[in-house]
Amino acid sequence: DSGVTQTPKHLITATGQRVTLRCSPRSGDLSVYWYQQSLDQGLQFLIQYYNGEERAKGNILERFSAQQFPDLHSELNLSSLELGDSALYFCASSVGIGGRLAYNEQFFGPGTRLTVL
Amino acid sequence: KNQVEQSPQSLIILEGKNCTLQCNYTVSPFSNLRWYKQDTGRGPVSLTIMTFSENTKSNGRYTATLDADTKQSSLHITASQLSDSASYICVVSAYDSWGKFQFGAGTQVVVTP
Repeated sequence: DSGVTQTPKHLITATGQRVTLRCSPRSGDLSVYWYQQSLDQGLQFLIQYYNGEERAKGNILERFSAQQFPDLHSELNLSSLELGDSALYFCASSVGIGGRLAYNEQFFGPGTRLTVL
Repeated sequence: KNQVEQSPQSLIILEGKNCTLQCNYTVSPFSNLRWYKQDTGRGPVSLTIMTFSENTKSNGRYTATLDADTKQSSLHITASQLSDSASYICVVSAYDSWGKFQFGAGTQVVVTP
């Protein structure tokens, strides 16, 4: 158990709908990362927050957005869902950001499996 | 072009045998390199972390090596077990990346009885 929690574990919805995925980081971690992993694909970095502020963006679609709240939990919002959005969505957390090893080891949550029908 | 390339894409080994996975990277300036193990449908779990000054790191039957000059790393699995069946992912961080990480596509390892 990494200490990172994600809800829900599974989500089934229809095209055009909107969903929200939730992540609670490890206690003491200030940075949260979101990743998408489609079937048989590698992890794709989406977005990173540090202490409530967006810090880095990856290949995140405009239909997707995220935020980190004052209690440091984060939500990933996916709207106008398409079949191709079906994937595992992982959240990871770390103590901080930057290149210093001690501060950027990421611990991954169990993931949310999204199925768009 | 992906800055982290892993090989082979997949491999099948017999239980009890050894295997070596490769990771080549172009990320610069280099900060650290991690190997993760990801079981199917689960989140990745860190196996080893190496900085510029480290050239080998072990975690049980897993041994990672790093050659920062040639920008190559390997992960050696000794006496493989069925539970080693997983995807192994190489992740490289640049020192000034402010949290950005470059992920390899992973090597899928299948250990057969």
